Amino acid sequence: EVQLVESGGGLVQPGGSLRLSCEGSGFTFSNHWMNWVRQSPAMGLERVATIKQDGSETSYMGSVEGRFTISRDNTKNSLYLQMNNLRAEDTAVYYCVRVSAKWAFDSWGPGTLVTVSS
Amino acid sequence: DIQMTQSPSSLSASVGDRVTISCRASQAIGTYLNWYQQKPGQAPNLLIFLASHLQSGVPSRFSGSGSGTDFTLTISSLQPEDFATYYCQQSYNRPVTFGQGTKVDIK
Repeated sequence: EVQLVESGGGLVQPGGSLRLSCEGSGFTFSNHWMNWVRQSPAMGLERVATIKQDGSETSYMGSVEGRFTISRDNTKNSLYLQMNNLRAEDTAVYYCVRVSAKWAFDSWGPGTLVTVSS
Repeated sequence: DIQMTQSPSSLSASVGDRVTISCRASQAIGTYLNWYQQKPGQAPNLLIFLASHLQSGVPSRFSGSGSGTDFTLTISSLQPEDFATYYCQQSYNRPVTFGQGTKVDIK
């Protein structure tokens, strides 16, 4: 059974940092593109960052470019999101998401809540 | 970025009803359109990929159609477990983008 489990969310002050982690199991992690997707009541579902199977290619949504860094460690079946200079508008549930061969988001973790507030 | 617009934003229906949800893309996307179901407190779950292909394990009462800019998700006979929010997503080009969601609740 495919499983993705996020960790690392929490309450942080504006300007602070958090590192999210996601551990995958039940599939060959290194075969898949991976994403971080966030969801908030105000903005709905937003693709935050994407990383290629070997980590050689990454992309970001505009509002997090330069502040967030996606990375992966295939030896640990793990995906990461380093988030710096956090803003109130980054408050959301963050999901770790696997991309299928047909470029659909076919497996999602349960999500981790990030709250940016003073 | 490609904008995805769903209609309606919400609808009320009864068990056994046929339900149709529409999704329109701001430019042609071929059949690079996926549908997800999300229940409260849960992550989205893939239902349909490439506009009309049923994801493994998804009941056959769900179907998708369309190409270009206009797409439809149909639930042939609504079941109690289908009351949820449904999202479309284009994967034609990056960044992938989602519709704003259609909430299906009980009439």
